[in-house]
Amino acid sequence: QSVLTQPPSASGTPGQRVTISCSGSSSNIRSNYVYWYQQLPGTAPKLLIYSNNQRPSGVPDRFSGSRSGTSASLAISGLRSEDEADYYCAAWDDSLTGYVFGAGTKVSVL
Amino acid sequence: EVQLVESGGGVVQPGGSLRLSCAASGFTFDDYGMHWVRQAPGKGLEWVSLITGDGGITYYADSVKGRFIISRDNNKNSLYLQMNSLRTEDTAFYYCAKDNIVAAPAYDIGVGFWGQGTPVTVSS
Repeated sequence: QSVLTQPPSASGTPGQRVTISCSGSSSNIRSNYVYWYQQLPGTAPKLLIYSNNQRPSGVPDRFSGSRSGTSASLAISGLRSEDEADYYCAAWDDSLTGYVFGAGTKVSVL
Repeated sequence: EVQLVESGGGVVQPGGSLRLSCAASGFTFDDYGMHWVRQAPGKGLEWVSLITGDGGITYYADSVKGRFIISRDNNKNSLYLQMNSLRTEDTAFYYCAKDNIVAAPAYDIGVGFWGQGTPVTVSS
């Protein structure tokens, strides 16, 4: 069972907005910054969002992150077929003194 | 261009050992903490270990504590993972990964870049 809780799946039609939640606790999300990763099938994960809401260069502004209390969320607006992937949230956990991941959310474009 | 190239994966029997290596280039290696993250077949990501830029502090997931040792050689721009007493549940793709921020503060530790990974299979 993962320390960070994500829904196993999410879906939408092209152009729609999809939101993925990530629920944690005071020792991880409330205290430390949240990261989000995209993993396309058969490839290594890629950084999507860092420090709660910052996008690395090259990541489209269709992707946005936010944090409130012990929860965080990733929003994908203007959903596209190439967004079909697994998405993971992560944060440092002060109690575990380790980096913790959510179990991942599989996004499907209908 | 940042590059992380893992090597050393393979098939090993339960109870055996394996040493993974990661060759880094394209950035000032000793400025960044380095991680190992693994992914079992069909499963999610699991963080394994972190070492600070100077190699002075290491952290481990409970699942590998006492069996795995992370180390680095800043003169060779290389990261290592010595895996001992391997179990079938250690079977996974192992990724070398770089911290996102130079000398990251505790509240902003996070993986910023991933290698392509190397497969480890523990089986009799």
